[in-house]
Amino acid sequence: EPEVTQTPSHQVTQMGQEVILRCVPISNHLYFYWYRQILGQKVEFLVSFYNNEISEKSEIFDDQFSVERPDGSNFTLKIRSTKLEDSAMYFCASAELGRGGEQFFGPGTRLTVL
Amino acid sequence: SQQGEEDPQALSIQEGENATMNCSYKTSINNLQWYRQNSGRGLVHLILIRSNEREKHSGRLRVTLDTSKKSSSLLITASRAADTASYFCATVLTTDSWGKLQFGAGTQVVVTP
Repeated sequence: EPEVTQTPSHQVTQMGQEVILRCVPISNHLYFYWYRQILGQKVEFLVSFYNNEISEKSEIFDDQFSVERPDGSNFTLKIRSTKLEDSAMYFCASAELGRGGEQFFGPGTRLTVL
Repeated sequence: SQQGEEDPQALSIQEGENATMNCSYKTSINNLQWYRQNSGRGLVHLILIRSNEREKHSGRLRVTLDTSKKSSSLLITASRAADTASYFCATVLTTDSWGKLQFGAGTQVVVTP
């Protein structure tokens, strides 16, 4: 059964460093998303991506964040200069349909900023 | 405002019992989805129910939706130890074009053998 994959599973970085989180969505899906979950808190929407551009973003997704689909299969989230408060689990999701369809989530990348 | 809120926050039951959790929301929805998360792991999609549907079943899961009360419930019948997890409802608003999910805080379910 097709699944969303994410790498790395755990990333430790120093404050101020750049990180790139990688995702491979399900191949025939057209809608892509990033969410994050700070430990003990609810899952929060970051950004949605469709037709090679950002379709919607949350207030969390400021200038330090960017997303890219560089090669038609990978979907990346970059944080340019990490802060302590960026420590969280980051989930990638993809969907065949937009608002009408179920989203399939990857296993997540745990980001720890020291 | 909080869109999806689950109730109860935690639930502890014996194997074989049924587990029921509720989700309330504030704003008109296109659909509501239930997800399961095992500790520290990813989110697994369970069921999607659309705003024009009232009930859906999937195996031992039954989901209801009452749009007049802006609430949904998830029932797990004949629970097993493997059902131990956190369960989240997530809504897609009528006004949303891109499928953004808004999650509740979840119900933590513990099933003891």
